[in-house]
Amino acid sequence: DQQVKQNSPSLSVQEGRISILNCDYTNSMFDYFLWYKKYPAEGPTFLISISSIKDKNEDGRFTVFLNKSAKHLSLHIVPSQPGDSAVYFCAASEGTGTASKLTFGTGTRLQVTL
Amino acid sequence: NAGVTQTPKFQVLKTGQSMTLQCAQDMNHEYMSWYRQDPGMGLRLIHYSVGAGITDQGEVPNGYNVSRSTTEDFPLRLLSAAPSQTSVYFCASSYFAGQSYEQYFGPGTRLTVT
Repeated sequence: DQQVKQNSPSLSVQEGRISILNCDYTNSMFDYFLWYKKYPAEGPTFLISISSIKDKNEDGRFTVFLNKSAKHLSLHIVPSQPGDSAVYFCAASEGTGTASKLTFGTGTRLQVTL
Repeated sequence: NAGVTQTPKFQVLKTGQSMTLQCAQDMNHEYMSWYRQDPGMGLRLIHYSVGAGITDQGEVPNGYNVSRSTTEDFPLRLLSAAPSQTSVYFCASSYFAGQSYEQYFGPGTRLTVT
């Protein structure tokens, strides 16, 4: 039972364009969402997060949108750069005090082409 | 700050052998976790800890033990290795601050069980 789903295993985007990575969840108790970036042979690196009390959070080129009614979130990267090529994981947790207990999606491999 | 460190980086075990994967963090984080990553499955939570002396099971705990005697260390023990435990293991630590947190991941241990 996959509670966090990333239905696109891969995405290719031209440099300078917008990358949109999508994530759906089924557990209505999830109230905190995070995006991680992962390069080969390295651990995941935190990118951006959003609490369920918000519908948007921005950090530089990265923006996360949350649609609670649709149980959907998306990560926008504008403009995309070749260094953004990596696997992106969506993750979620429920309740406070569960900072150690994340449920991850299966990841989307982003390739930014020149 | 070294962040989250994991040793060893690579390990090959024979079926039935036991070993301990080491994890340490120097950020004084309360929360620590162990995940495994398998192809096409994202990261799955094995065990987690919300503080020294407190541990709990995650999604896939069978075949693994943990203990948390200090804030800094969170070792993962494989009791009797099986080929199904071939995976990449990531340790993470996090600090909950109000309504937001992020998990910091170590570089991973690649384990092969033959």
